[in-house]
Amino acid sequence: DAKTTQPNSMESNEEEPVHLPCNHSTISGTDYIHWYRQLPSQGPEYVIHGLTSNVNNRMASLAIAEDRKSSTLILHRATLRDAAVYYCILRMEYGNKLVFGAGTILRVKS
Amino acid sequence: EAGVAQSPRYKIIEKRQSVAFWCNPISGHATLYWYQQILGQGPKLLIQFQNNGVVDDSQLPKDRFSAERLKGVDSTLKIQPAKLEDSAVYLCASSTTGIPAKNIQYFGAGTRLSVL
Repeated sequence: DAKTTQPNSMESNEEEPVHLPCNHSTISGTDYIHWYRQLPSQGPEYVIHGLTSNVNNRMASLAIAEDRKSSTLILHRATLRDAAVYYCILRMEYGNKLVFGAGTILRVKS
Repeated sequence: EAGVAQSPRYKIIEKRQSVAFWCNPISGHATLYWYQQILGQGPKLLIQFQNNGVVDDSQLPKDRFSAERLKGVDSTLKIQPAKLEDSAVYLCASSTTGIPAKNIQYFGAGTRLSVL
């Protein structure tokens, strides 16, 4: 499984945008980029995924670099409820596994 | 839509005892996963079922862990005998079939196991 690199932790102010980076320099052409997050005392939850183009949904936006070696999860207005561990995961087209790294701990200050 | 249900939420046992966890996936989801999450780490896949068949159990410690999914719906994960290093949160997830890379996995809240 291709490896991703994320910062250990980040801090944000409430109501401000948050950009969570992920490096995946060994990504292959058919790997999808997935983001999950895990709130305290809960199981992970899906946030967003993409292949090449930028993606938007009700939770977040995913910006994918043109060479696909990095991506950024964008939370447009952070709230206290967004404080969580955010995982960037690469999935092979026919690979079933979600291989979690340590993720980025996001702290949101009021 | 009901989510993935797991029970119990917490379990405390002594080493060498046995323990079992139960999972009920989202209705209609053919694929079921069990993960182990040690404190401070991301979840690690233990076993994956497609209906009632095992797809991947390469990281399941088979000398002490077992899992089954009879009738392709509910699943149980058992540890016998438990060791101190088995203290972790055990997460169950489910997903539909289709292209795996696009599948969304839905997770339960997990069972927190403490082995004393």
